[in-house]
Amino acid sequence: ETGVTQTPRHLVMGMTNKKSLKCEQHLGHNAMYWYKQSAKKPLELMFVYNFKEQTENNSVPSRFSPECPNSSHLFLHLHTLQPEDSALYLCASSQDLAVQSGEKLFFGSGTQLSVL
Amino acid sequence: GNSVTQMEGPVTLSEEAFLTINCTYTATGYPSLFWYVQYPGEGLQLLLKATKADDKGSNKGFEATYRKETTSFHLEKGSVQVSDSAVYFCALSNQAGTALIFGKGTTLSVSS
Repeated sequence: ETGVTQTPRHLVMGMTNKKSLKCEQHLGHNAMYWYKQSAKKPLELMFVYNFKEQTENNSVPSRFSPECPNSSHLFLHLHTLQPEDSALYLCASSQDLAVQSGEKLFFGSGTQLSVL
Repeated sequence: GNSVTQMEGPVTLSEEAFLTINCTYTATGYPSLFWYVQYPGEGLQLLLKATKADDKGSNKGFEATYRKETTSFHLEKGSVQVSDSAVYFCALSNQAGTALIFGKGTTLSVSS
């Protein structure tokens, strides 16, 4: 148990559906991240939040909409997705953004998303 | 921007064999380097890290040395166990120092 909880674990949705992924951390961290993990590809950084403010959007299509209401919760709202968006979506948190100095990321177990 | 390349898998070994997973990087400045491990059905966990050149990170029998001259951070273990079967990711800090950039991952399968 890493202290980062993601729900749901699995999600199947049609291309016209709207759904949301939820991430929660009780580690007292200030930074939160969304990554996308697809087979045979490197993990792709999607969004970074620090103290509830978005600090990075890695050219993610607008059909993915993040929300960070407080430092403990992070959502990823999904709408009109494509089959190629099927992947494992991982949430992570860290004490702050000091990855340069070796700050550790704590990952959730992910949400396995299938878009039909 | 910063990037990392790690060897393609899968790597299949017998128990007690020696393990090397190669990782090289491209970066501006002085990134921190990491190895993360992902066990089946779980998220990634930090295995070890190094924050400056010539540092050696170690944990659970795994080691990696930050080699600036060869821009490498190869993961090694002298004697693998079945429980080491997992996917291993090499990573480095991005140019802004605010997030991690990961490689594709290398699947390790250890049989008894």
